[in-house]
Amino acid sequence: EPEVTQTPSHQVTQMGQEVILRCVPISNHLYFYWYRQILGQKVEFLVSFYNNEISEKSEIFDDQFSVERPDGSNFTLKIRSTKLEDSAMYFCASSENTGELFFGEGSRLTVL
Amino acid sequence: QKEVEQDPGPLSVPEGAIVSLNCTYSNSAFQYFMWYRQYSRKGPELLMYTYSSGNKEDGRFTAQVDKSSKYISLFIRDSQPSDSATYLCAMSDKNTGFQKLVFGTGTRLLVSP
Repeated sequence: EPEVTQTPSHQVTQMGQEVILRCVPISNHLYFYWYRQILGQKVEFLVSFYNNEISEKSEIFDDQFSVERPDGSNFTLKIRSTKLEDSAMYFCASSENTGELFFGEGSRLTVL
Repeated sequence: QKEVEQDPGPLSVPEGAIVSLNCTYSNSAFQYFMWYRQYSRKGPELLMYTYSSGNKEDGRFTAQVDKSSKYISLFIRDSQPSDSATYLCAMSDKNTGFQKLVFGTGTRLLVSP
């Protein structure tokens, strides 16, 4: 069964460092998303991406965040200068159209 | 008032029980209502969704939406230990559809054999 894969599963970084989280969406999907879940809190929408541009973003997705689809398969989330409060589980998701989202298993980011 | 509220639990039931999970919401623009299941260290997995009001049934699962009360429910019949997980409600409005989901905090369900 096709699935969304994410790497790394866990990354530990120092505050102020840049982090790139990677995702391989399901191959025929056209819409891509990043959500995050701070420990003990709800899953929160960050950004959606379609046709090589951002289609929606939340207030959380400020200038320190960026997304990119550098080739035909990867979808990345970059955090330019990490803060302690960026520590969270980051979920990538994809969808074929504007319907059901398929989530990956997540990348846990720990900022020290 | 939070946009979506959900009791975090945990909710502990014996195998075979009927489980009722609920969410309330404040945004009357929400039209899509979803239930996700999340196992430990996994991503959310869509169980069911409904559009606007009404009921939807899928096997042991029934989703209900009462827009007048801004209240949604998920019922699980004949609960199994494998149903032990965190159940997340999620919602979105007609304009954003599935693209921009607002989640509840999730209810942790424990079904004991």
